[in-house]
Amino acid sequence: GESVGLHLPTLSVQEGDNSIINCAYSNSASDYFIWYKQESGKGPQFIIDIRSNMDKRQGQRVTVLLNKTVKHLSLQIAATQPGDSAVYFCAVSSPGTYKYIFGTGTRLKVLA
Amino acid sequence: GAVVSQHPSWVICKSGTSVKIECRSLDFQATTMFWYRQFPKQSLMLMATSNEGSKATYEQGVEKDKFLINHASLTLSTLTVTSAHPEDSSFYICSAGGVNYGYTFGSGTRLTVV
Repeated sequence: GESVGLHLPTLSVQEGDNSIINCAYSNSASDYFIWYKQESGKGPQFIIDIRSNMDKRQGQRVTVLLNKTVKHLSLQIAATQPGDSAVYFCAVSSPGTYKYIFGTGTRLKVLA
Repeated sequence: GAVVSQHPSWVICKSGTSVKIECRSLDFQATTMFWYRQFPKQSLMLMATSNEGSKATYEQGVEKDKFLINHASLTLSTLTVTSAHPEDSSFYICSAGGVNYGYTFGSGTRLTVV
């Protein structure tokens, strides 16, 4: 069945450095991918998305890269700030359904 | 942008009682809403898909008689945890939106059963 996982459960980054959070998925038919940010006690917040016809998409300080060959996507955060500290989830579309499969999550800690 | 409101944000109830959680789409109509459950330091697990005007679709392992879902209108879905027990204590989150543009999540409801 579909599985989505993250390589690093916790990532500590110095303030001002770039952060990279990774996600692997198993279903090659997945065609829509989203990154969410979840702060403690709150619901997930949409960060950026990408469709399978793209390899890269940039937002404000964030970039998502998609490698369909190895079924891997990453979230890059430039100049990481203390406010970026949160848990980050990737979500992958489940083809043929309206559902998304969520990764296990990576906690990003920004060190001052 | 799309806004999803969830209420209450937290609730404490006694074992054996029932608790209702509301999920509202404030500025759009949602024919489909989703209910998730999240244990501490874990990911979101889909419980059920709420369909306006029809029965909810539950994921495997989720008791439909325990987690009652009603989607009476295009802007409101409710989740009722019946005969709650301490093991039902969790963070419940709803979401609404579309498959082609992502989902907006509610702020979540922290349920504590004592």
